[in-house]
Amino acid sequence: RKEVEQDPGPFNVPEGATVAFNCTYSNSASQSFFWYRQDCRKEPKLLMSVYSSGNEDGRFTAQLNRASQYISLLIRDSKLSDSATYLCVVILDNMLTFGGGTRLMVKP
Amino acid sequence: SQTIHQWPATLVQPVGSPLSLECTVEGTSNPNLYWYRQAAGRGLQLLFYSVGIGQISSEVPQNLSASRPQDRQFILSSKKLLLSDSGFYLCAWSANYGTVLVGEKLFFGSGTQLSVL
Repeated sequence: RKEVEQDPGPFNVPEGATVAFNCTYSNSASQSFFWYRQDCRKEPKLLMSVYSSGNEDGRFTAQLNRASQYISLLIRDSKLSDSATYLCVVILDNMLTFGGGTRLMVKP
Repeated sequence: SQTIHQWPATLVQPVGSPLSLECTVEGTSNPNLYWYRQAAGRGLQLLFYSVGIGQISSEVPQNLSASRPQDRQFILSSKKLLLSDSGFYLCAWSANYGTVLVGEKLFFGSGTQLSVL
C-alpha cells in the first residue's frame, strides 16, 4: 500500500460545479497535511494547509479525518482556472511525502 | 521576499553526458533545500535534501549527486546520464527553524524539463 494515495482522475466537471478530492494516508501517526496545486509543466504551489479543525479559504475547504486517515479538498463554484493537478502532502517524522496528484478539468 | 531560481528550464542531453542543474535562493538564510523529480504523470520523488552547507541526504540510490557549496546554492549533478533520468526536476526550499524538520510549506523553483536521448 502506498503511503499517500490519490485518485489520479481526471475529474471532468462543468463550470460552477462543486468537486471534492480525497487523499488517504497509511500511517496514523502522520502529523501535518497540505494541499498543493500544480499546473501543467509548472512547479507545485502551496494551496492550503489542512488543520484538524478544517479550514476554508474562499471557495476552497480542506478537512482532515484522522479516524479514517484521509484529507479532503472541496472546491465550490468551480472556475476554468481551477483546472490543474492537486497534490496532497503528508508529513511524518520530519519527512514529507507527496501523493500522485488528482487532475481536475473544469469545462465551460 | 524570498525567491528561488532554477535553471535551465529545458535541457536535452545525450545518454552518457554529464549533468549540472543549479538552484539558488534569495531573501532567506540557512534554508532547507531539496531536489525532487517528477516523471510524466507521476508524483514527486524526493532525491536529495540539505539542512546546511555541505550536508546532503540522499533518499534514493541513483547515479545522481547533489552538492551545497554555499548556503543558498544547491546543485544536482550526474557524471553519466541514463535514459531513465528523464523527467521534470524541481528544486525547493523551506524555512529552517533550527531542527531537522524536513519539508513543510515548500516553495518550488520553476523546474527543469530534462530529456535524455
